[in-house]
Amino acid sequence: EDKVVQSPLSLVVHEGDTVTLNCSYEVTNFRSLLWYKQEKKAPTFLFMLTSSGIEKKSGRLSSILDKKELSSILNITATQTGDSAIYLCAGETSGSRLTFGEGTQLTVNP
Amino acid sequence: DVKVTQSSRYLVKRTGEKVFLECVQDMDHENMFWYRQDPGLGLRLIYFSYDVKMKEKGDIPEGYSVSREKKERFSLILESASTNQTSMYLCATYSRDIYNEQFFGPGTRLTVL
Repeated sequence: EDKVVQSPLSLVVHEGDTVTLNCSYEVTNFRSLLWYKQEKKAPTFLFMLTSSGIEKKSGRLSSILDKKELSSILNITATQTGDSAIYLCAGETSGSRLTFGEGTQLTVNP
Repeated sequence: DVKVTQSSRYLVKRTGEKVFLECVQDMDHENMFWYRQDPGLGLRLIYFSYDVKMKEKGDIPEGYSVSREKKERFSLILESASTNQTSMYLCATYSRDIYNEQFFGPGTRLTVL
């Protein structure tokens, strides 16, 4: 059975802090690892990672995949209150099927 | 812009009622998915479909069925709603063209009393 585990489940930081969110996966026929941000609505896509060690960046957010360790991290630098959200990690298997982790609830306080 | 719409944002039904949740997309994507999202459990896949009239069970199909008569429309059916089906239901579509991402609808929060 495919499984994705995220840690921590919840995190509270102050504006300006840097955070690292973790995701480990056990997915058969693994194709890619995806990160989503979910505020009070549907998840929105952040990154898709297929190759190990390659960093994807978008502004203050970055992510790396470690295929050997079957894990990925999502880094957010200089956090802002607008970064408060649930961050979801998902492993994609063949057939475009995604298995999601439980999510990390990030709260950024001013 | 891809648009994925769901028929209702909030829905309240009684135990035993038949419930239809509809999802419509306007991007001609082949793949469509239904998830439910519960606190502490993340998103769990109920059913998905690769093409019209094709469907595959996800991780938690029990108590649900689906229908895909047209490419743009994917319906989730609760034959006899139960209180443990109270949840947020999210529809998603997928294309491996350029973006390789799943696009989600706004979600339907279903409460079964």
